[in-house]
Amino acid sequence: GDSVTQMEGPVTLSEEAFLTINCTYTATGYPSLFWYVQYPGEGLQLLLKATKADDKGSNKGFEATYRKETTSFHLEKGSVQVSDSAVYFCALSRTGNQFYFGTGTSLTVIP
Amino acid sequence: NAGVTQTPKFRVLKTGQSMTLLCAQDMNHEYMYWYRQDPGMGLRLIHYSVGEGTTAKGEVPDGYNVSRLKKQNFLLGLESAAPSQTSVYFCASSFGGQAWDGYTFGSGTRLTVV
Repeated sequence: GDSVTQMEGPVTLSEEAFLTINCTYTATGYPSLFWYVQYPGEGLQLLLKATKADDKGSNKGFEATYRKETTSFHLEKGSVQVSDSAVYFCALSRTGNQFYFGTGTSLTVIP
Repeated sequence: NAGVTQTPKFRVLKTGQSMTLLCAQDMNHEYMYWYRQDPGMGLRLIHYSVGEGTTAKGEVPDGYNVSRLKKQNFLLGLESAAPSQTSVYFCASSFGGQAWDGYTFGSGTRLTVV
């Protein structure tokens, strides 16, 4: 069945460091891929998405490229800020009405 | 602030007790969902609703019941709580059935069953 695997956390980085959070997926067909972010005390919010192979989703300085050959959708940011501290979830959907979420990766950015 | 509101935010139950979690949205969304999140696991769909008066089972429905009597509200009930239901519960909503622009999530309810 469809599933998402993302790297274990927690991740702790210094401000301005480079961030990578790995995400790989298993799915039949051609799913769309998503990154959600959950800030402390809030619900999950859609951060970015990509709907087909080689698409790059981007938002707020974060980027992820849909790599079909490696079934991956790694999240990257060149220079993290304290305000990026949150839990990040990778997710996929083939139909738009059923989503499969990863376990979440907690990121803490220290000044 | 428009969005999805979950109540309560925290609750501790004794085994065998019952409770209802309330989810309310003010965006006129048709679809609503209940997920649970457990350590080391992704969010798993419990039940969902495609409109007022409808409900359907998700991936892990056992031990839960739901109702959608009003379009804006989606209730999740635990009739006889068990320690295995200790989890963080998230409600979400979307305008249509194909949520390519993502769901709107509530901030979660942390439930502990002792």
